[in-house]
Amino acid sequence: DAGITQSPRYKITETGRQVTLMCHQTWSHSYMFWYRQDLGHGLRLIYYSAAADITDKGEVPDGYVVSRSKTENFPLTLESATRSQTSVYFCASSHYEQYFGPGTRLTVT
Amino acid sequence: GNSVTQMEGPVTLSEEAFLTINCTYTATGYPSLFWYVQYPGEGLQLLLKATKADDKGSNKGFEATYRKETTSFHLEKGSVQVSDSAVYFCALTSGETSGSRLTFGEGTQLTVNP
Repeated sequence: DAGITQSPRYKITETGRQVTLMCHQTWSHSYMFWYRQDLGHGLRLIYYSAAADITDKGEVPDGYVVSRSKTENFPLTLESATRSQTSVYFCASSHYEQYFGPGTRLTVT
Repeated sequence: GNSVTQMEGPVTLSEEAFLTINCTYTATGYPSLFWYVQYPGEGLQLLLKATKADDKGSNKGFEATYRKETTSFHLEKGSVQVSDSAVYFCALTSGETSGSRLTFGEGTQLTVNP
C-alpha cells in the first residue's frame, strides 16, 4: 500500500523494557520525523532525519534512539521505557508538506 | 524561538453554527502557516496553508488568513457539520525546504452536535 504506515498501532509494555516503533513510507521522501502527542502539549518533535544515515534531535529526544539505514524506514526505539513515555507517537514524512502516519498508542505500565 | 498559541478548548457547537478557532504565533523571519485536522483514531491531515502575509488558505469550507500585523492565522467556517468534529492544530514552519520542521499549537477539540 502506498503511503506511510506505523506498527504496531497499540502497544502495552512494562517499565524498563526496550520497545521499537516502526515507520515505513513508500514515497521515497528524504525527510522523516517522529512526534509524540500529549494532552496539553500538542505534538512535540522527538527526532528527525534528512536522509538515510542522517538523523538529528528534536525538542524532546531524551530516552529515545533512532536509526535510518534505508530511506523508507525510520524506527524509533525506547531503550528503557518509562511511564512518562506513555503517549501517542506519530511518524511523518515530508516533501514540502508533512504526511502523517496513523499513530502508535503506547502505554508503559 | 518559534511558538504557536491556540485558543483553549474544547469547543462545542451546534450544526450550522459559525466556527472560529484563534491562533497566534511567534516566529523569526517569514513563516509559513498551517492548519491540520485530526479525526478520531487517525493521524494528522493538512487542512489548509498560507505561505505569505495576506494569503488566504481555504479547503472544505474552512478558511484562514495570514495576518502578519497581528501575527494571527484564525480558522473559520461559516456552517459547521457533525463530520467536522475533530482536533484542529495550528502550526508553522520558518524554513522553505522540504524538511522544514513544524511547530504545533496545543490543538483545539471541536465537537459539533446535530
